[in-house]
Amino acid sequence: DAKTTQPPSMDCAEGRAANLPCNHSTISGNEYVYWYRQIHSQGPQYIIHGLKNNETNEMASLIITEDRKSSTLILPHATLRDTAVYYCIVKGYQKVTFGTGTKLQVIP
Amino acid sequence: GAVVSQHPSRVICKSGTSVKIECRSLDFQATTMFWYRQFPKKSLMLMATSNEGSKATYEQGVEKDKFLINHASLTLSTLTVTSAHPEDSSFYICSARNSDGEETQYFGPGTRLLVL
Repeated sequence: DAKTTQPPSMDCAEGRAANLPCNHSTISGNEYVYWYRQIHSQGPQYIIHGLKNNETNEMASLIITEDRKSSTLILPHATLRDTAVYYCIVKGYQKVTFGTGTKLQVIP
Repeated sequence: GAVVSQHPSRVICKSGTSVKIECRSLDFQATTMFWYRQFPKKSLMLMATSNEGSKATYEQGVEKDKFLINHASLTLSTLTVTSAHPEDSSFYICSARNSDGEETQYFGPGTRLLVL
């Protein structure tokens, strides 16, 4: 699986959009970009995934660059409950391997 | 949809005893399940991959005789920590892969094990 790079931490004001970046410059053509988050003492929660097109669901939007070497997860209106560690993962038909993720702190 | 459950959510046991943790996919069939462990303030570490009807594949450094995995059905995998010791205390998380074409993995809520 391709390796990903994420900033270790970010702050976001409550009600504002949270934009979490991820670099995955070694991604191969059949690998998807997945995002999960882990709230303290819980199992990881699936958020969204995509191959090359931008994706949106009820939780978030995923923007993937045209060369697929980076992506951004957007939480449009962050709430305090969105405080968590966010993991960007690249995978094909393989297991999910976690890096260190980005700790997002939503501030009142 | 795509719900994975774990039981128990937390367990305390004495050193030397064995503990079984169950992982169930509630609304989909999972030919493959995965077991992770997580230490405080650390990321998840994959322990093993469990395939229905066959032997589990363990990651390097994980003792297969210590962590017994059984995947007897398409909705149930179990992890048994044998002869538990205090250093086995950890947060154990399972996941199940949905064979939906894109092979999304969904995670259980985790089991916190404390060995006294």
